[in-house]
Amino acid sequence: GEDVEQSLFLSVREGDSSVINCTYTDSSSTYLYWYKQEPGAGLQLLTYIFSNMDMKQDQRLTVLLNKKDKHLSLRIADTQTGDSAIYFCAESILIKAGANNLFFGTGTRLTVIP
Amino acid sequence: NAGVTQTPKFRVLKTGQSMTLLCAQDMNHEYMYWYRQDPGMGLRLIHYSVGEGTTAKGEVPDGYNVSRLKKQNFLLGLESAAPSQTSVYFCASRPGGNTEAFFGQGTRLTVV
Repeated sequence: GEDVEQSLFLSVREGDSSVINCTYTDSSSTYLYWYKQEPGAGLQLLTYIFSNMDMKQDQRLTVLLNKKDKHLSLRIADTQTGDSAIYFCAESILIKAGANNLFFGTGTRLTVIP
Repeated sequence: NAGVTQTPKFRVLKTGQSMTLLCAQDMNHEYMYWYRQDPGMGLRLIHYSVGEGTTAKGEVPDGYNVSRLKKQNFLLGLESAAPSQTSVYFCASRPGGNTEAFFGQGTRLTVV
């Protein structure tokens, strides 16, 4: 089955860059996503990358995809205390005709130290 | 816009009791999902629906049933709750295919 792995915890100092890593096993993924979950809230989409891209930049966020190694990363530049949250990577996989499901990693809890 | 709304937000059940969690979306999305979130395990798919009147099993369907009688609503039922079903439950919807999923705020369920 699908297996998406992430480190559970990451701490960085305010103003530094954060890099959150994710590995996945299903090479048929079409889109890969990063979601953010703040305490007591649902998940919100941060950014996504299509599987034929290597990199995507969106303001402070940079997504890198190494399809050969099935490795995805999210870099947050100039990390702020408001970035403290749990970050989930997810892959979209066609499970049957007309049905793409999202499979999530374990989530990485980012703590930003002032 | 309400987006995806889950009710209730919190619930405590005794072992063996039954309950239904309601998910409602006002975006006319075709796809709806129920996930459970447990510490260190991310989100796991319980059941999903690709359209009104259709449902299918996800990764962890045992002990749960679902119904999608109306396009905007996706119900998750626990017939006989067990402590292992203590979790935070999230509903999500998508227009279809490889699109952004919109999540509800979650339901925290405790089974004692």
